[in-house]
Amino acid sequence: AQSVAQPEDQVNVAEGNPLTVKCTYSVSGNPYLFWYVQYPNRGLQFLLKYITGDNLVKGSYGFEAEFNKSQTSFHLKKPSALVSDSALYFCAVTRREIKAAGNKLTFGGGTRVLVKP
Amino acid sequence: GAVVSQHPSRVICKSGTSVKIECRSLDFQATTMFWYRQFPKQSLMLMATSNEGSKATYEQGVEKDKFLINHASLTLSTLTVTSAHPEDSSFYICSARTSRDRPYEQYFGPGTRLTVT
Repeated sequence: AQSVAQPEDQVNVAEGNPLTVKCTYSVSGNPYLFWYVQYPNRGLQFLLKYITGDNLVKGSYGFEAEFNKSQTSFHLKKPSALVSDSALYFCAVTRREIKAAGNKLTFGGGTRVLVKP
Repeated sequence: GAVVSQHPSRVICKSGTSVKIECRSLDFQATTMFWYRQFPKQSLMLMATSNEGSKATYEQGVEKDKFLINHASLTLSTLTVTSAHPEDSSFYICSARTSRDRPYEQYFGPGTRLTVT
């Protein structure tokens, strides 16, 4: 079984300050890891993914995430947060080895980010 | 590229009626489509996985006779909520996968908000 934990329901940060959203995962085998963002009444927008290679992954809108295998973490970061970054963020995992049609994403509970001006 | 649309974006129906939600991949062929359900302020829960031309695979606890999924072509999957009840009110999101060789690539639709009165 695979699972994702996002320990913070909400993160508050002042505009211009660094933003970190935490994610830890559990999966048998090697993981594919993803971050998505969701704005109110909208679907999920892809931010970035880790498949293999460099542990530091850069994505859309200035976001990046660092894969840490020993800590089974994939924290999302942005050096300088914007008010427009206020949204709901989801971390997700799937197994790398399974190529079958039933490959599924497991999502964390989500973290609401509030960036105050 | 890789755009997924859903129709309708919002629907209100009366208890006991059926509602059909369409999910289309606009610029690619989707070998697999996924249907998720999201309750307010909660994460996405996978309901079912559908492969073109075959029966959908439902997650444990999801009533397949209530949530009918049809994946008739490589660009269209439909979710029909039969005999809807107020507890079926939710945000339904579909995603589409392009190829069995790239199982990690899922593209999400904008979601459909269903309200059953």
